[in-house]
Amino acid sequence: RKEVEQDPGPFNVPEGATVAFNCTYSNSASQSFFWYRQDCRKEPKLLMSVYSSGNEDGRFTAQLNRASQYISLLIRDSKLSDSATYLCVVSLPTSGTYKYIFGTGTRLKVLA
Amino acid sequence: NAGVTQTPKFRVLKTGQSMTLLCAQDMNHEYMYWYRQDPGMGLRLIHYSVGEGTTAKGEVPDGYNVSRLKKQNFLLGLESAAPSQTSVYFCASRPLPSNTGELFFGEGSRLTVL
Repeated sequence: RKEVEQDPGPFNVPEGATVAFNCTYSNSASQSFFWYRQDCRKEPKLLMSVYSSGNEDGRFTAQLNRASQYISLLIRDSKLSDSATYLCVVSLPTSGTYKYIFGTGTRLKVLA
Repeated sequence: NAGVTQTPKFRVLKTGQSMTLLCAQDMNHEYMYWYRQDPGMGLRLIHYSVGEGTTAKGEVPDGYNVSRLKKQNFLLGLESAAPSQTSVYFCASRPLPSNTGELFFGEGSRLTVL
């Protein structure tokens, strides 16, 4: 079983739609959680951290369910510019530091 | 702001050749990482460093060596390249010894081994 699992997509949605991505992680020792965005042939960039209480940044809402080991990202009012791959990332303590485990990503295409 | 800079950005090697990828960051970050990204595999950690003069193995270290002689630089070496090392390599750095720290990535280095 992969440590971090995501539906690879692609999710093809019309502009203005609401879309949700899910992610599950296998290690209950995971400490911090993130969503990164990666554009085609570019480096990943942090979209938002995910907190237990849930957090929102404009059109983006992230949720964490530690009991179910599940993370979600909701995008409202999708824009063409939201087309990208969204990476779910968890951090795990290891040897006095933390390692970051990346999911394979979910690809989103927003259509005009 | 330069941030994290990787060189070279593209390279084609023949099997058995050696090369070094350079990662340089100007943000005074303690932690630095080398990842490889392959289709359907996500980013996988090769080696990392928690400070100048220290390195540690990640998930897929075989065939690679690293050095961190200066805090701002993290070098990834391939002593004898193999076609299985064809990939996109990303360097990242992190500012604090904190699990909430954001990873800052370089633009990537695309390596093809023939």
